[in-house]
Amino acid sequence: DVKVTQSSRYLVKRTGEKVFLECVQDMDHENMFWYRQDPGLGLRLIYFSYDVKMKEKGDIPEGYSVSREKKERFSLILESASTNQTSMYLCASAGDKETQYFGPGTRLLVL
Amino acid sequence: QKEVEQNSGPLSVPEGAIASLNCTYSDRGSQSFFWYRQYSGKSPELIMFIYSNGDKEDGRFTAQLNKASQYVSLLIRDSQPSDSATYLCAARTGGGNKLTFGTGTQLKVEL
Repeated sequence: DVKVTQSSRYLVKRTGEKVFLECVQDMDHENMFWYRQDPGLGLRLIYFSYDVKMKEKGDIPEGYSVSREKKERFSLILESASTNQTSMYLCASAGDKETQYFGPGTRLLVL
Repeated sequence: QKEVEQNSGPLSVPEGAIASLNCTYSDRGSQSFFWYRQYSGKSPELIMFIYSNGDKEDGRFTAQLNKASQYVSLLIRDSQPSDSATYLCAARTGGGNKLTFGTGTQLKVEL
């Protein structure tokens, strides 16, 4: 079974803080993704990576950056957290069969 | 803008009935389609995928694809209260593994 884990289930941060969300997968997948999910807006792609040290912007990259130094690990960074970044953050990974498998999600509250 | 559209619902069906969930997509280049189930507060989990026109069955679930009409559906036979969840439709376009998600349809199976 594919296992995707995320570093935290719940996080509370203050406006202006730098926030790190980490995702780890154990299936040697090339592709990893970061989404945010908000009521009424569905899943929106922030960034994705198709290889180590490679990254591509998704639909809503503003205010975020990512890092992929190892194949199994994909980090999402909020450089200076803002209240409009309060959301559920979901990581996913996919191999060459393209099916994406999701981690449990991190619910982030920015105060 | 490549879009995937779903009726947000809620769709209410009695226990034991067939639930029919629908999805349309705007990009004719979309090649494969995915249905995910998401329980409240949880992450999406894959139900099934479909690439070819026609029907694909997996247990109580049947996915239907009509590329000419740009329409995908998911039928759930013998609906159970445990099927109550939000169902997300997703489409893949092009050579990469990016998926575009609909906003989901909430299904309620009533006793």
